[in-house]
Amino acid sequence: QSVLTQPPSVSGAPGQRVTISCTGSSSNIGAGYDVHWYQQLPGTAPKLLIYSNSNRPSGVPDRFSGSKSGSSASLVITGLQAEDEADYYCQSLDSSQSVHVEFGGGTKLTVL
Amino acid sequence: QVQLQESGPGLVKPSETLSLTCTISGGSMRSYYWSWIRQPPGKGLEWIGHIHYSGTTNYKPSLKSRVTISVDTSKNQFSLRLSSMTAADTAVYYCARHRCSGGSCYLDLFDSWGQGTLVTVSS
Repeated sequence: QSVLTQPPSVSGAPGQRVTISCTGSSSNIGAGYDVHWYQQLPGTAPKLLIYSNSNRPSGVPDRFSGSKSGSSASLVITGLQAEDEADYYCQSLDSSQSVHVEFGGGTKLTVL
Repeated sequence: QVQLQESGPGLVKPSETLSLTCTISGGSMRSYYWSWIRQPPGKGLEWIGHIHYSGTTNYKPSLKSRVTISVDTSKNQFSLRLSSMTAADTAVYYCARHRCSGGSCYLDLFDSWGQGTLVTVSS
């Protein structure tokens, strides 16, 4: 059971916009820790997509954006493309015991 | 461009200890944090723990009693030992480098990953 809750799946047609939520608590996102997002294509290692809530590493298209508010964060993908079909994971620090890294359960994005 | 490569046994018997090594090429271990992360088949990612090149470690609380991460900077390697393996530990195990920027490093941000190695626990 992940302490960061994501919807198991989302879907959208090419060109549409989708939002993936990541809900935490007062021991992680709500404590002020940053949220990062990773994209995992089938059979590959995760790739950093968004860091520190809303920053894109070089090479990541501006179709991908992130935000954080309170104990939750969101990843928005606009202009959906077939190659965006992947698993997406949010990640933050959690201080419920010693401070450690927690991942969300992951969201499977299907491009219809 | 730094590259990470996991190595170790693909099959471990229940109750035994898993030993994996991550070899870094194309870059130095100096100043960075290095993590182990795993992913059971068809499931999500789970952080196991990290080590700083100086040897400082931090582990996920639920795994702490079974995990040891060590570093050998002379070989550009760091290693994972996970004891008392069970079927629940069957997973792809990834090693990853933490992102550093402006002279400081993130404790929770990974910018380079190995390709992963599948470890199956079975008798």
